[in-house]
Amino acid sequence: SQTIHQWPATLVQPVGSPLSLECTVEGTSNPNLYWYRQAAGRGLQLLFYSVGIGQISSEVPQNLSASRPQDRQFILSSKKLLLSDSGFYLCAWTTGLNSPLHFGNGTRLTVT
Amino acid sequence: RKEVEQDPGPFNVPEGATVAFNCTYSNSASQSFFWYRQDCRKEPKLLMSVYSSGNEDGRFTAQLNRASQYISLLIRDSKLSDSATYLCVGHHSGNTPLVFGKGTRLSVIA
Repeated sequence: SQTIHQWPATLVQPVGSPLSLECTVEGTSNPNLYWYRQAAGRGLQLLFYSVGIGQISSEVPQNLSASRPQDRQFILSSKKLLLSDSGFYLCAWTTGLNSPLHFGNGTRLTVT
Repeated sequence: RKEVEQDPGPFNVPEGATVAFNCTYSNSASQSFFWYRQDCRKEPKLLMSVYSSGNEDGRFTAQLNRASQYISLLIRDSKLSDSATYLCVGHHSGNTPLVFGKGTRLSVIA
């Protein structure tokens, strides 16, 4: 069966520090991968999605970046965090059309 | 116009009530739809897919109306445990991202 792992679960970082969140999927090949952010009390904001290794589409311009160094690995990074980067970060995967998204447990990031 | 729109609620209903949520979508080429449930401070979890012919899973019924471009979720005999935010999702094509609505909050009250 397919599983998705996302870590860490919670993170507190100072403004200006770097960020690296990792997400891995097991049990499937060539998944479409997604990073979402959810601010407190708000909806899901799509940040990045990837349909293959090295292929990244950015939905919202900001100080975040994403990389997909391996088929089932998706990394979200920042060189310098802002207070506004605080939120609940969710990684998700799908096999494609007509298939639902499956989410990781999320990382709750607080930038202080 | 946003691609997927939902009434944010909150819907406050007593236990045992029937409640319905609608979700409208603007992209007529959207091909697949889903309902998700999100509990407070948790990740969204798939509740059910939405099929053209409509589908039912226990107390939950999902409908798709392509002519009017909306999907609906009906919850019968509401339980306290149904309290959550319900998100509708549309998918245009295989390699484009799924689009989420902002969610509808449901509170079932004893």
